[in-house]
Amino acid sequence: QVQLQQSGAELVKPGSSVKISCKASGYTFTSYDMHWIKQQPGNGLEWIGWIYPGNGNTKYNQKFNGKATLTADKSSSTAYMQLSSLTSEDSAVYFCARTAGGWGQGTLVTVSS
Amino acid sequence: DVLMTQTPVSLPVSLGGQVSISCRSSQSLVHSDGNTYLHWYLQKPGQSPQLLIYRVSNRFSGVPDRFSGSGSGTDFTLKISRVEPEDLGVYYCLQSTHFPLTFGSGTKLEIK
Repeated sequence: QVQLQQSGAELVKPGSSVKISCKASGYTFTSYDMHWIKQQPGNGLEWIGWIYPGNGNTKYNQKFNGKATLTADKSSSTAYMQLSSLTSEDSAVYFCARTAGGWGQGTLVTVSS
Repeated sequence: DVLMTQTPVSLPVSLGGQVSISCRSSQSLVHSDGNTYLHWYLQKPGQSPQLLIYRVSNRFSGVPDRFSGSGSGTDFTLKISRVEPEDLGVYYCLQSTHFPLTFGSGTKLEIK
């Protein structure tokens, strides 16, 4: 079945960057878009952007332009999201997901000095 | 951005009862391809959201027929009948017709 396995929790310093991974299995990685979603504690869900691993095309929520960069490695069926210039506002759980069904377990990013 | 307004925020229910959740969009969700990309998710406590309904009224694989979706244009409803303990959590609607994709603010289903 479809599985999306995300990398573990990160504690990072303000101003730094972090790269989260999402390894896909159980389907053809290059045939489905991969979305990234942000959830802050007690808050709802916010769409960051998506990547189509088949050709690397991306689409971002304008709010996250310059903040998030989405990439995909077809050889390992893994999608990545890099977050840069981190501030406390970036502390959240980040999910990868397919709109066709299947979400990762989430990666907690905590930005603190 | 398309604003998704979900009501109510909190929904107390008795087990075995029936409830409805409303999701209204600030503009039509009918895509130029004729489809309406409105979906429903359930996030159980401590878990990732899971897809329940896609494109307004299509139940995802394994979702019981107690869940049904309806609506058109800007007005959509999720109905849950014969509520079971496993149904508790926060329900979200999501529109993927327009960029950026936007979620409703959530409806928490809890025991009365």
